[in-house]
Amino acid sequence: QVQLKESGPGLVQPSQTLSLTCTVSGFSLTSYSVHWVRQHSGKSLEWMGRMWSDGDTSYNSAFTSRLSISRDTSKSQVFLKMNSLQTEDTGTYYCARNLKDWGQGVMVTVSS
Amino acid sequence: DIVMTQAPLSVSVTPGESASISCRSSKSLLHSNGITYVYWYLQKPGKSPQLLIYRMSNLASGVPDRFSGSGSETDFTLKISRVEAEDVGIYYCGQLLENPYTFGAGTKLELK
Repeated sequence: QVQLKESGPGLVQPSQTLSLTCTVSGFSLTSYSVHWVRQHSGKSLEWMGRMWSDGDTSYNSAFTSRLSISRDTSKSQVFLKMNSLQTEDTGTYYCARNLKDWGQGVMVTVSS
Repeated sequence: DIVMTQAPLSVSVTPGESASISCRSSKSLLHSNGITYVYWYLQKPGKSPQLLIYRMSNLASGVPDRFSGSGSETDFTLKISRVEAEDVGIYYCGQLLENPYTFGAGTKLELK
């Protein structure tokens, strides 16, 4: 059974770095891509980037150089790091396998 | 970026009736490989998005065949036959042709 679960701090201070973890089960990270998608409250979906099965990464240029996605295949985990957080980064962050199977999401609030 | 425009923003449907949601892309989503990279998702209240249709007209696993997708290179339709209470939520179209992947603003389906 394919499962993805996001974890991370619910509250981050402005200008700080957000670190999220997507822990997967039921499939191998070396066989499938994992994407990160953000959703502001009551708004649509915003694709952030992906970790390809071969370890390569692709990013939405809207996040310029703030975003980094990495992985640890031995732990079946994909990581998202985004720096210089602002209040507009508040939202729910999802990881998704091939944008087909989605995690439950983790809500992140950027506030002092 | 490819802009995905959905219509209507909301629709109210009597259970048992049909509903159609339109989506238009600002650029052709037809790849040279013959695949049209438009996807449809349903986000039920308080839940993660779930894939309904992939590559314009393919039904995702476990999705009732009351759902169907069709379209051309830039104009797409999601049809729901015999709407049920469990179909309530927000429907999103998305393009997975090119980076950044983008989504429509969503169409909220409610029951009369």
